[in-house]
Amino acid sequence: DAKTTQPPSMDCAEGRAANLPCNHSTISGNEYVYWYRQIHSQGPQYIIHGLKNNETNEMASLIITEDRKSSTLILPHATLRDTAVYYCIVITTLGRLYFGRGTQLTVWP
Amino acid sequence: KAGVTQTPRYLIKTRGQQVTLSCSPISGHRSVSWYQQTPGQGLQFLFEYFSETQRNKGNFPGRFSGRQFSNSRSEMNVSTLELGDSALYLCASSTGANNEKLFFGSGTQLSVL
Repeated sequence: DAKTTQPPSMDCAEGRAANLPCNHSTISGNEYVYWYRQIHSQGPQYIIHGLKNNETNEMASLIITEDRKSSTLILPHATLRDTAVYYCIVITTLGRLYFGRGTQLTVWP
Repeated sequence: KAGVTQTPRYLIKTRGQQVTLSCSPISGHRSVSWYQQTPGQGLQFLFEYFSETQRNKGNFPGRFSGRQFSNSRSEMNVSTLELGDSALYLCASSTGANNEKLFFGSGTQLSVL
């Protein structure tokens, strides 16, 4: 199964861009990268996903390297409400999800 | 559209007992998956059900089992509870199509004493 590696914690000033990295060096060609976040005591919330191309939605942007071994989630203008644990996930061809330990993002005023 | 509903929200059991947790998916969703979250191990995949059949399974002992009903509602059962089973149990639903995003419930916090 493809696995992911993320830094345990990061912080960011409110209003600045938050760039969260993820390594997934064993990812297979048809496995997608997903990002979820979890605010304390709630279930994870979907943010964005991609296969090869960069993606953008109303919440964030996802940059995937050409070799697909790593990706970066970008929150363009972080707010205090973006403080959460962010999970980079690879969904394997068997449909199993590997969450990893995630990155605790703290946005400070 | 109502979200994923998990009941109960909190549960306290003692070692050796069994427990059943319930998950009602979003209307129209046919896939339900279950996850265990602990401070030590993080989020771990338990199993996934699609159209009443277990489609995927994680690396958990046989004490952890589940089922899905014809209305897509799912239950998870843990028998012979151990202290280490104390965790937040999350379920998620999706349409079941490949690479479809998951919608999570708020979880059931299980404490085993």
